[in-house]
Amino acid sequence: GENVEQHPSTLSVQEGDSAVIKCTYSDSASNYFPWYKQELGKRPQLIIDIRSNVGEKKDQRIAVTLNKTAKHFSLHITETQPEDSAVYFCAARFSGNTPLVFGKGTRLSVIA
Amino acid sequence: GAVVSQHPSWVICKSGTSVKIECRSLDFQATTMFWYRQFPKQSLMLMATSNEGSKATYEQGVEKDKFLINHASLTLSTLTVTSAHPEDSSFYICSARWVRDGTYEQYFGPGTRLTVT
Repeated sequence: GENVEQHPSTLSVQEGDSAVIKCTYSDSASNYFPWYKQELGKRPQLIIDIRSNVGEKKDQRIAVTLNKTAKHFSLHITETQPEDSAVYFCAARFSGNTPLVFGKGTRLSVIA
Repeated sequence: GAVVSQHPSWVICKSGTSVKIECRSLDFQATTMFWYRQFPKQSLMLMATSNEGSKATYEQGVEKDKFLINHASLTLSTLTVTSAHPEDSSFYICSARWVRDGTYEQYFGPGTRLTVT
C-alpha cells in the first residue's frame, strides 16, 4: 500500500522567513496530494492540494510543488506569520476511490 | 470548502458504557465518510471507511464489534464506541468525501474528544 514520509517533524522559523515541509510517497500511481493544517484541538483544514498532472500550485503565501519522478512533494510557506504556527499534514491518494494516507505531521512554530 | 459537522464535540463517559458520535455533511452528499482516531501529538489514524448503505471497511487492528459504524444516509454517519475503556480515550475525527472538478476531496469534522473514566 501507499506510504507517506514527512520531514521534518518539527520546524521553527523566524517571522517573515520561509518554511518548507517535504513529503515522499511510495506508490507512483498516486495522483492527489493535499496538505492540511491542524491547530491545537481543532480539525485538519485543507489548505492546498495538487494533482499529478500539475507540477506546482500557488495560493498567496502558500505553494506546493510536485516531482513525480522523484515521488516527492513539498509545501512552501513564505513570509511566515505567528498564525501559521500549527501542525501540517501531507497526504497522498492512490486512486479516487481509496482513502488518503497521511504523513506523521510537522509541527511548525513561527517565532515573532 | 464543504462543511462537515460532528457531535458531540467532547464527551466524558464511564468505563463500560457506550458512546455514539455523529458526523454530518451539511451542504453536500457524502457517499463515503472516513473515521479517524488521533492521539496527542500524533498523526491521523484511519479506523474505517464508511459507504452509504453498506457495511464499513475496517483497517487492520480496528475491532469492528467495538467501533460500530453506521452510514444510513448520504449526510449522516455514526460511530459508536461500545463498552468504552480508558484506553479508548482519544480524539475521534470524521471526514466526508465529495467530488469537485472530477476529483475526490476530503473535509474533516471538528472532532470529538472522548474521555473514558
